[in-house]
Amino acid sequence: KNQVEQSPQSLIILEGKNCTLQCNYTVSPFSNLRWYKQDTGRGPVSLTIMTFSENTKSNGRYTATLDADTKQSSLHITASQLSDSASYICVVTLRNTGGFKTIFGAGTRLFVKA
Amino acid sequence: NAGVTQTPKFRILKIGQSMTLQCAQDMNHNYMYWYRQDPGMGLKLIYYSVGAGITDKGEVPNGYNVSRSTTEDFPLRLELAAPSQTSVYFCASTRAGESGVHEQYFGPGTRLTVT
Repeated sequence: KNQVEQSPQSLIILEGKNCTLQCNYTVSPFSNLRWYKQDTGRGPVSLTIMTFSENTKSNGRYTATLDADTKQSSLHITASQLSDSASYICVVTLRNTGGFKTIFGAGTRLFVKA
Repeated sequence: NAGVTQTPKFRILKIGQSMTLQCAQDMNHNYMYWYRQDPGMGLKLIYYSVGAGITDKGEVPNGYNVSRSTTEDFPLRLELAAPSQTSVYFCASTRAGESGVHEQYFGPGTRLTVT
């Protein structure tokens, strides 16, 4: 069964600290993996998109890694800010005979405290 | 560009009532999507459209209908609202398919409660 699992479910860190969010997937055949940031009451906003051949991609203080062999991805946030408080969603797209199918993880809720 | 816009932001329906959730995008994207997001769950695809006049079912289409008469608009219709349809609904668009090459843009969401 195609699944995307994220951990931890929620996380509290102090402002200025780093953190890493995890995403494991069992999706096959893999096409690409994306990380989104979703602020409370808003729609998701794309942070990074990685295809099979890419193993790291950065967007400012956000760095995503991908290990397609172990089917794991991580999102590392450096020098966290209060505005980083949000849900972070891992999304994996698979390629099937009918086209593409996208599977969303349930997200990690990050709270950054002053 | 306004991006993806959705109306209304909030709505409370009684069981059995009908309503249409509006979605519009001004980026000339050919692909548009409707998702629902339940608490603690990942987004689920309801319907999608690859262009004007073409729509197809997603993962959870029962109880919903869509139409795509123009490139810009993609309304979602609930005919007989049920409590199970209480959720937050997101519309999204992208320039091409879900290949991952093109970024998917989401609207701000519509929070629907059915009582």
